[in-house]
Amino acid sequence: AQKVTQAQTEISVVEKEDVTLDCVYETRDTTYYLFWYKQPPSGELVFLIRRNSFDEQNEISGRYSWNFQKSTSSFNFTITASQVVDSAVYFCALSEAGIQGAQKLVFGQGTRLTINP
Amino acid sequence: DTGVSQNPRHKITKRGQNVTFRCDPISEHNRLYWYRQTLGQGPEFLTYFQNEAQLEKSRLLSDRFSAERPKGSFSTLEIQRTEQGDSAMYLCASSFGRTTEAFFGQGTRLTVV
Repeated sequence: AQKVTQAQTEISVVEKEDVTLDCVYETRDTTYYLFWYKQPPSGELVFLIRRNSFDEQNEISGRYSWNFQKSTSSFNFTITASQVVDSAVYFCALSEAGIQGAQKLVFGQGTRLTINP
Repeated sequence: DTGVSQNPRHKITKRGQNVTFRCDPISEHNRLYWYRQTLGQGPEFLTYFQNEAQLEKSRLLSDRFSAERPKGSFSTLEIQRTEQGDSAMYLCASSFGRTTEAFFGQGTRLTVV
């Protein structure tokens, strides 16, 4: 069965610190996609990144970076020089190959990140 | 495009009543998903539409739940005879094709009292 584990329930740091959110996944599929979403207090899930299982290159987007390691089934997310606006709940997700081409997402429990001024 | 729109944003209902939520996906998106999120948890998949066809339903979707997507445009999720355990955030998402990311709406928060 597909499973995503985000062991860190809550993280609190001071502004400008770097912070890494951990994500470990389990799947039997050889082809899959991994995602990170941000959920601010408004409730909407905001897409951050999608990575397919064949692309292990790390990615950097501004202050955000992602480290995908297939050998350890991890897809960690680092925010550099954190800002108060980064405060939110962050979800890691794995796409499950559903029938008829469905892109079913299996989410972790989320990590609540609080950036203190 | 204004993104995925869900209405209402909040709904309080008495146990035993029926409720209906609406989702308007991004216009060119042919795939539509419903998820349920309870407090402190990640969203859980409920059901999936490709155009107007409902192709997959989760075991979480009891027979009190029904979803439709007439004409492959907006979708509705109805819960009959609501129970307190139905209290949750109901999220709708849409995508174009299988390998593109899903965009989520702001959700409908249901409280059953």
